[in-house]
Amino acid sequence: DIQMTQSPSSLSASLGERVSLTCRASQEISGYLSWLQQKPDGTIKRLIYAASTLDSGVPKRFSGSRSGSDYSLTISSLESEDFADYYCLQYATYPWTFGGGTKLEIK
Amino acid sequence: QIQLVQSGPELKKPGETVKIACKASGYTFTNYGMNWVKQAPGKGLKWMGWINTYTEEPTYGDDFKGRFAFSLETSASTAYLQINKLKNEDMATYFCARDRGSFYGMDQWGQGTSVTVSS
Repeated sequence: DIQMTQSPSSLSASLGERVSLTCRASQEISGYLSWLQQKPDGTIKRLIYAASTLDSGVPKRFSGSRSGSDYSLTISSLESEDFADYYCLQYATYPWTFGGGTKLEIK
Repeated sequence: QIQLVQSGPELKKPGETVKIACKASGYTFTNYGMNWVKQAPGKGLKWMGWINTYTEEPTYGDDFKGRFAFSLETSASTAYLQINKLKNEDMATYFCARDRGSFYGMDQWGQGTSVTVSS
């Protein structure tokens, strides 16, 4: 199975700050990666697919990028509604696998 | 708009069976597969498998072979997850998520269904 190593596992940041989360794939996933946001009420929303394509309606402060086997989610300027859990997901090869998650908290 | 609405929370005893529904609306049900994802309390997400809504063929992750079954009621645009012989470790929230294909992956998610297993 492909392992997705996500870092950091938790992050404390302030409103307006720029933050980046990273997932490293243990095997080639060719950009088949998405980023998901899970709110405290449990609701899950996809933000990005194909490593860097923003889903419709997702604010432009979110962006995704790839450097080799490292995939990053960047939030350019944190807003209050961004404090949530974030997961990466590789969908290149079955079984699809998630990163361990990042808990983004308000400093 | 596209929606996946799941059935309500369940409280079951060990050894019982639970069947969770995921009702789709806003799109042609058989054009997209349906995935199932498990989230144990306080833990991350785990992909359970998916069902091809056109052929009705299920694919299960290794940890979900045997007691787990995906099924469909196509006329009602509804996918089901059934868990037989419930164990304590099945206690989790289960999500359905639409599969938009190899490039797009899982795009729309249900709100989750909590399953509590307690004697």
